[in-house]
Amino acid sequence: GENVEQHPSTLSVQEGDSAVIKCTYSDSASNYFPWYKQELGKRPQLIIDIRSNVGEKKDQRIAVTLNKTAKHFSLHITETQPEDSAVYFCAASRTGKLIFGQGTTLQVKP
Amino acid sequence: DTGVSQDPRHKITKRGQNVTFRCDPISEHNRLYWYRQTLGQGPEFLTYFQNEAQLEKSRLLSDRFSAERPKGSFSTLEIQRTEQGDSAMYLCASSYGQGEGDEQYFGPGTRLTVT
Repeated sequence: GENVEQHPSTLSVQEGDSAVIKCTYSDSASNYFPWYKQELGKRPQLIIDIRSNVGEKKDQRIAVTLNKTAKHFSLHITETQPEDSAVYFCAASRTGKLIFGQGTTLQVKP
Repeated sequence: DTGVSQDPRHKITKRGQNVTFRCDPISEHNRLYWYRQTLGQGPEFLTYFQNEAQLEKSRLLSDRFSAERPKGSFSTLEIQRTEQGDSAMYLCASSYGQGEGDEQYFGPGTRLTVT
């Protein structure tokens, strides 16, 4: 069935360092890959997304890369700040419904 | 607030009772999704609508769960004969388009506790 694996489950970095979160997906027909940030007690918020016809996308300190052959995609956050601390979820989609990974708790230490 | 809204925000019920949640999507959005999220996990897909048509329902969803979107606007999710395992955050999301690659906007969720 459809599945998305996300690693690591927790990530602790010093402020200013980079953070990388990786996901793999099982459905080779998936064509949309969003990343959501969820702060404690809040709703998931989209931070960046990528479609299957693109290999990389950047938005300021955030970038996402996609390797369709390997069915991998990754989130890169540079120059991390304490306010980046949250749970991050990757997801994959083919028909619109999102299949989410298990989440990564990112802690940025000041 | 023109975002996705959900009501109630919290619901405590006893096992065996029925509960109903409401979701109001962003007004022009034609797609509406329901997800369930338990502590420490990613949201899990339940079902979705395009306008008033229910297009897909998760195989994980038992017959105790039913959802409607009668006029293609708000949606309701009903759980009959609740069980303790139904305790979770129920999230609604909406989007505009045909579904592929459309950004989904999430509501604040309804937290259900079954005692």
